[in-house]
Amino acid sequence: KNEVEQSPQNLTAQEGEFITINCSYSVGISALHWLQQHPGGGIVSLFMLSSGKKKHGRLIATINIQEKHSSLHITASHPRDSAVYICAVEEGAQKLVFGQGTRLTINP
Amino acid sequence: DTEVTQTPKHLVMGMTNKKSLKCEQHMGHRAMYWYKQKAKKPPELMFVYSYEKLSINESVPSRFSPECPNSSLLNLHLHALQPEDSALYLCASSQEGSGGPFYEQYFGPGTRLTVT
Repeated sequence: KNEVEQSPQNLTAQEGEFITINCSYSVGISALHWLQQHPGGGIVSLFMLSSGKKKHGRLIATINIQEKHSSLHITASHPRDSAVYICAVEEGAQKLVFGQGTRLTINP
Repeated sequence: DTEVTQTPKHLVMGMTNKKSLKCEQHMGHRAMYWYKQKAKKPPELMFVYSYEKLSINESVPSRFSPECPNSSLLNLHLHALQPEDSALYLCASSQEGSGGPFYEQYFGPGTRLTVT
């Protein structure tokens, strides 16, 4: 079974700072997901990656398949970015293996 | 419409009660999922339905009984639950069923269940 490790577990930063959250996994995968969960529960899918880099607004996700590593970057962070960010990998059809999440707090 | 809806938002039930959670999507997705999430933990997969058939059951106790009456609806029937079953129950859907490339999962807002 894949082990998914995220770092850091908790991150507090000031508004405007550049944020990086890291995710490592142990076994080859077919896709990696970055998810965002706000207090209250709803989960939003941010990115699905199998190679390279994707960008959406202030969010950038990269993946290095050889190193089994992915990063999520947030540029010009804002308090509304405060949430838990979850990395999840897909080993086989339909099943996601989740990391423990990174709790991000952006202070004004 | 890219929304997955779940009802109810909150549910409090006793250990002898029978209740059901409901999930609905109208995106034409053929795979639907139930997850359980305890506080400050990541979601745990419970069940997957693919083309209205149960394709994955992650050794979930029989007091949880899923049902997929049609391609848009997913139910989770609850009976004789324990206090430790209190959690956020999340439904999700994705475009494809078993096999083939993986598709993005769309999550509902969840039902917060408290078992007393």
